[in-house]
Amino acid sequence: DAGITQSPRHKVTETGTPVTLRCHQTENHRYMYWYRQDPGHGLRLIHYSYGVKDTDKGEVSDGYSVSRSKTEDFLLTLESATSSQTSVYFCAIGRGQSQTTYEQYFGPGTRLTVT
Amino acid sequence: KNQVEQSPQSLIILEGKNCTLQCNYTVSPFSNLRWYKQDTGRGPVSLTIMTFSENTKSNGRYTATLDADTKQSSLHITASQLSDSASYICVVSPILTGGGNKLTFGTGTQLKVEL
Repeated sequence: DAGITQSPRHKVTETGTPVTLRCHQTENHRYMYWYRQDPGHGLRLIHYSYGVKDTDKGEVSDGYSVSRSKTEDFLLTLESATSSQTSVYFCAIGRGQSQTTYEQYFGPGTRLTVT
Repeated sequence: KNQVEQSPQSLIILEGKNCTLQCNYTVSPFSNLRWYKQDTGRGPVSLTIMTFSENTKSNGRYTATLDADTKQSSLHITASQLSDSASYICVVSPILTGGGNKLTFGTGTQLKVEL
C-alpha cells in the first residue's frame, strides 16, 4: 500500500459545511494526488502537489482546495460541501524516476456523503 | 480531449474460464499504459505497466498486450478465480513532465467470477 493512509475512511456531512480529508504517507514522496471516483466516470484528478507548499489544479478542482505544509501530509478541503461532491476520494503518491518506472500508488479511499 | 474507453462495461464468467478485456485510447503523445485492479472498497492496485515500445507484459495469470499503432490494449486473464472479481481499469500516461504525471483513466470493466 506504499504507506498511504487516508482519514476519515467514511464521513457523512450536511450541505454547506466545511470538510477536510487527510492523506498521510510514510515514504517521503514528492508527488501526491487527490482524485474522486464516481459511477460512470474514471478517476478524475482534483489537485496534485509536487512538493511542500507546491500545488496545482487538476481537471475537477472547482469547490476544492488543498494544502501541503509537510511532505507527509496532503489535505483536501471542501469549503462548503455540496451534494455533487458526494463521492469516493482517493489519495495517491507518485513513485519512480523514469517513464518505465513511474507509478502512482493509491490509498484506501474516503467515502464522503453530503446530505 | 484525451480519452480511454474500455469494453465490456461488465462481464460475468465461470471460475476457471479465460477472459479478455479491451481498452482503446486516444492519448497522444503516449508514454505508457497500465492496467489496475480495484477490489470493491479498496484503492486501485497496479497489475502491469507497458511503455509504447512493449507489446506484451505478464503478471502471473494476467497478460496485457499493447498495439501502439492502433492505440489498443487488452488484458487477458487465464484460469479465472473468484478473487479476480473486481474492476479492471486501463490507465494511459502522457509523456512524463516536470509537473507530475497526469493520468487518464478508463471507467473500468467490472468482472464477476462465479462458481
